[in-house]
Amino acid sequence: SAVISQKPSRDICQRGTSLTIQCQVDSQVTMMFWYRQQPGQSLTLIATANQGSEATYESGFVIDKFPISRPNLTFSTLTVSNMSPEDSSIYLCSAGQAYEQYFGPGTRLTVT
Amino acid sequence: GENVEQHPSTLSVQEGDSAVIKCTYSDSASNYFPWYKQELGKGPQLIIDIRSNVGEKKDQRIAVTLNKTAKHFSLHITETQPEDSAVYFCAASGGGGADGLTFGKGTHLIIQP
Repeated sequence: SAVISQKPSRDICQRGTSLTIQCQVDSQVTMMFWYRQQPGQSLTLIATANQGSEATYESGFVIDKFPISRPNLTFSTLTVSNMSPEDSSIYLCSAGQAYEQYFGPGTRLTVT
Repeated sequence: GENVEQHPSTLSVQEGDSAVIKCTYSDSASNYFPWYKQELGKGPQLIIDIRSNVGEKKDQRIAVTLNKTAKHFSLHITETQPEDSAVYFCAASGGGGADGLTFGKGTHLIIQP
């Protein structure tokens, strides 16, 4: 299994600002994904982070709001841009090995 | 797109009894069905998974069954213990691992001592 770390673990941000979340995997993986989980809710896929090409976004999520980088096979970042209170959520990255996906501990974001 | 329904939303069982959580999916192209356990303040932990070419898989006290015809899969936990208390999510995906997961809404499992 892959071990995944995220930074920061939590943050409180003011509306209108941006936050970049980092995701580090302990081994090279083909696929990395970003999810959002609102408190007490299920997980929703934001995008697939492709190494060497642009991320693939799910319906309802756009690159201008959630730009993603994937510079290599062990690292990815998600930026939450021009934040509003509705962006308050837990953001999770996952890494795929064959079929299996392993999740990081999440970044708890509060926007005031 | 895929839609995953999960029931029940809350399940309370006596310690030592069995627990069963059920999910249905809509996309017949889905071929991978993992289950995750999420404890408070932590990321989801993969506990067991099954692929569409298998009907049942077991790992110690945990088992998963899949009925492709009915588009239905279930998680079975036997001899439940207090540490089994958590939120459990089912999920589905297609694409042989290249696709992201579509999750059910989760089941809060409570083990009563």
